[in-house]
Amino acid sequence: AQTIHQWPVAEIKAVGSPLSLGCTIKGKSSPNLYWYWQATGGTLQQLFYSITVGQVESVVQLNLSASRPKDDQFILSTEKLLLSHSGFYLCAWSRTGANTEVFFGKGTRLTVV
Amino acid sequence: QQKVQQSPESLTVSEGAMASLNCTFSDRSSDNFRWYRQHSGKGLEVLVSIFSDGEKEEGSFTAHLNRASLHVFLHIREPQPSDSALYLCAVSHDTNAYKVIFGKGTHLHVLP
Repeated sequence: AQTIHQWPVAEIKAVGSPLSLGCTIKGKSSPNLYWYWQATGGTLQQLFYSITVGQVESVVQLNLSASRPKDDQFILSTEKLLLSHSGFYLCAWSRTGANTEVFFGKGTRLTVV
Repeated sequence: QQKVQQSPESLTVSEGAMASLNCTFSDRSSDNFRWYRQHSGKGLEVLVSIFSDGEKEEGSFTAHLNRASLHVFLHIREPQPSDSALYLCAVSHDTNAYKVIFGKGTHLHVLP
């Protein structure tokens, strides 16, 4: 069975500090990977997706970056956090091909102070 | 740019009464529609996916897609208080299934 693990579960960070959120998928090779962000009370927005190692596509510009250093790992980061980065970050994966389900991790709650 | 809107923003029903949620989209060529549920502070749980006009049932959840009218509905049969959550509609197009647009969601409250 496939599992998706996000870390950390929650984080409180200062404005201007760096951030790194991680996501690992086990039990599935070559998954499509996604990062989503949801501001408190806001709409869930797709930030990035990756079809293969080393390739990441940006969907929404939020002064964040993403990388896929390994087939099963997806990293979301920034060197300088903004207050507007606060929210709930979700990692997700899907199989390749059309009409495939997207499975989500449990998320990371980020509070920027 | 695809627009996805959900209504109502909030819905309160009594336990056991049918709950109906609406999602409208702007791109008639869209062909991937999913309904998700999100309990407060939790990740997303996929409920039902539908890819062609008509109905698709998964347990107590039924999705109804009508692309001509740009609507996809979610009907919840005999909801329980544990079904109280944020329900999200997600739309994408098969030519770029990696880009998914979500609606803002409907907050469902099921009263015991």
